[in-house]
Amino acid sequence: NAGVTQTPKFQVLKTGQSMTLQCAQDMNHNSMYWYRQDPGMGLRLIYYSASEGTTDKGEVPNGYNVSRLNKREFSLRLESAAPSQTSVYFCASSLDNYGYTFGSGTRLTVV
Amino acid sequence: KQEVTQIPAALSVPEGENLVLNCSFTDSAIYNLQWFRQDPGKGLTSLLLIQSSQREQTSGRLNASLDKSSGRSTLYIAASQPGDSATYLCAVRRGSNYQLIWGAGTKLIIKP
Repeated sequence: NAGVTQTPKFQVLKTGQSMTLQCAQDMNHNSMYWYRQDPGMGLRLIYYSASEGTTDKGEVPNGYNVSRLNKREFSLRLESAAPSQTSVYFCASSLDNYGYTFGSGTRLTVV
Repeated sequence: KQEVTQIPAALSVPEGENLVLNCSFTDSAIYNLQWFRQDPGKGLTSLLLIQSSQREQTSGRLNASLDKSSGRSTLYIAASQPGDSATYLCAVRRGSNYQLIWGAGTKLIIKP
């Protein structure tokens, strides 16, 4: 089925470890996004990419880096994980600014 | 700074009832407002989008309204069903080149 695929679905990291969250979409969407969702809070934008080859900071970019590898793929990297980065991470894509498609999320725990 | 609030955080109602979910925003200068549904362990699904020039949008049993002057939107669900149980989030956009600002959501439970 067409959509947004995120891997992994679950991950436990120790403080200081690094990891990359992978995201791929097969809908030929131009824009891709990384959000984090914490209990009692709305989704907060970490980084986004309006088109292949461009990336921009969102509301909470500190501690993260991204790569728009090609039109399909947009990865999120944590270089040195911290407990404050424990969250559920969502990748999303959109053709324009209207139709969003979300992945199923990655539940990350940093101990 | 735009802030989006959804009250209540949780709501439980018997099956068959009509219900209203609320979304308020602090800056009335919005471009559009969207309602999403989130099921446990899954991503978000877009339900309805209302442009700033519109007053409401309908899809099946769902009706979303927008009152910019009061900074409010409501999502009306008619004849609720257990399958409507989910978290409902609203998000506003300031302009076409701006990103969405999200509410924290209302967790809805429909009791059979």
